[in-house]
Amino acid sequence: NAGVTQTPKFRVLKTGQSMTLLCAQDMNHEYMYWYRQDPGMGLRLIHYSVGEGTTAKGEVPDGYNVSRLKKQNFLLGLESAAPSQTSVYFCASSYLGQPGQPQHFGDGTRLSIL
Amino acid sequence: AQKITQTQPGMFVQEKEAVTLDCTYDTSDPSYGLFWYKQPSSGEMIFLIYQGSYDQQNATEGRYSLNFQKARKSANLVISASQLGDSAMYFCAMESPGTASKLTFGTGTRLQVTL
Repeated sequence: NAGVTQTPKFRVLKTGQSMTLLCAQDMNHEYMYWYRQDPGMGLRLIHYSVGEGTTAKGEVPDGYNVSRLKKQNFLLGLESAAPSQTSVYFCASSYLGQPGQPQHFGDGTRLSIL
Repeated sequence: AQKITQTQPGMFVQEKEAVTLDCTYDTSDPSYGLFWYKQPSSGEMIFLIYQGSYDQQNATEGRYSLNFQKARKSANLVISASQLGDSAMYFCAMESPGTASKLTFGTGTRLQVTL
């Protein structure tokens, strides 16, 4: 009963390096989201997807790219990591985005950029 | 634009007592939903309770209830009979239907349950 799985759980990067965070869900959810959580700021939406092959910008999209090639996977990419991207990243998914359907979250990825 | 405000950075409550965590919101949408999530120290986000803007009754889920006052734009979470395991961060979030059900989160309240 995996739900939403994020890979990796921890990562340390140097400034300028690139990496991809993987989110996989096994609940057949249409909607998927990437958030970042910084101290004192709650969760902020980076990008989201309403279905396979579609993506859209959220509140804080700069410096990130995403792809949804398969319904169950949502990838978040950092092309050139910056210290300001040090954060905890959460992936979430929901069923058809129906009102009242809670988003199901992964356990998060703690990313440090040196 | 939507906004969620949680004015209590931290709260203490004694075990077995009830506690209210405050949440106020601002939106121009007539239809919206309000969620509460719990984040324990282990980091995962756990859904607690949901209230729709057109729901006639306040939502309840076990020891959790939502004190929804639409005119005041508040959606406070009430935890009854607090337990040590309730110690966590609590986030209020608002969803606007029709916008891919995106959530806008507040900054959270850290609750500490004491003996």
